[in-house]
Amino acid sequence: EPEVTQTPSHQVTQMGQEVILRCVPISNHLYFYWYRQILGQKVEFLVSFYNNEISEKSEIFDDQFSVERPDGSNFTLKIRSTKLEDSAMYFCASSFRRGVTEAFFGQGTRLTVV
Amino acid sequence: AQTVTQSQPEMSVQEAETVTLSCTYDTSESDYYLFWYKQPPSRQMILVIRQEAYKQQNATENRFSVNFQKAAKSFSLKISDSQLGDAAMYFCAYRSTGANSKLTFGKGITLSVRP
Repeated sequence: EPEVTQTPSHQVTQMGQEVILRCVPISNHLYFYWYRQILGQKVEFLVSFYNNEISEKSEIFDDQFSVERPDGSNFTLKIRSTKLEDSAMYFCASSFRRGVTEAFFGQGTRLTVV
Repeated sequence: AQTVTQSQPEMSVQEAETVTLSCTYDTSESDYYLFWYKQPPSRQMILVIRQEAYKQQNATENRFSVNFQKAAKSFSLKISDSQLGDAAMYFCAYRSTGANSKLTFGKGITLSVRP
């Protein structure tokens, strides 16, 4: 069964460093998303992406964040200068194969900023 | 803006019994989707069930069913014959009908299953 794949599963980084979280969405899905879940809290929307551009972003998605789809298969989230409060679980999701309305999530990347 | 409220932080159920998880939402839209996602200790988000707002019939997936009350903006999940593997965090989520629409999640409820 097709699935969304995220790498790495866990990343530890020093505060101020750049990190790139990678995702391979389900093939022939057209819409891509990043969500964040700080430990013990609800899942929050960060950004949606379609046709090689951002469709919508939340107030969390500030200038420190960027997304791109560099090669037609990968979908990446970059945090330029990580802060302690960026520590969270980051989920990639994809959706919209014809007849499908729900988003399928990857297994998440646990980001720890120290 | 849409909001999703899950007011119960925790619930517990005896194995083989039935449990209902509550969710309410607020929206001015007439057509939308509602979902329940399960998050086990592995923290992956797994879709449990979905409901289209234009459908009056409540969705059912094996042991999982919903009670969708559109006028009351209520969307509860019923788990029948609870199993130990059902223990997880459950999130209610709302989505507008646009293909690119984001999911808005509730705070979640932790379900424990007693053997």
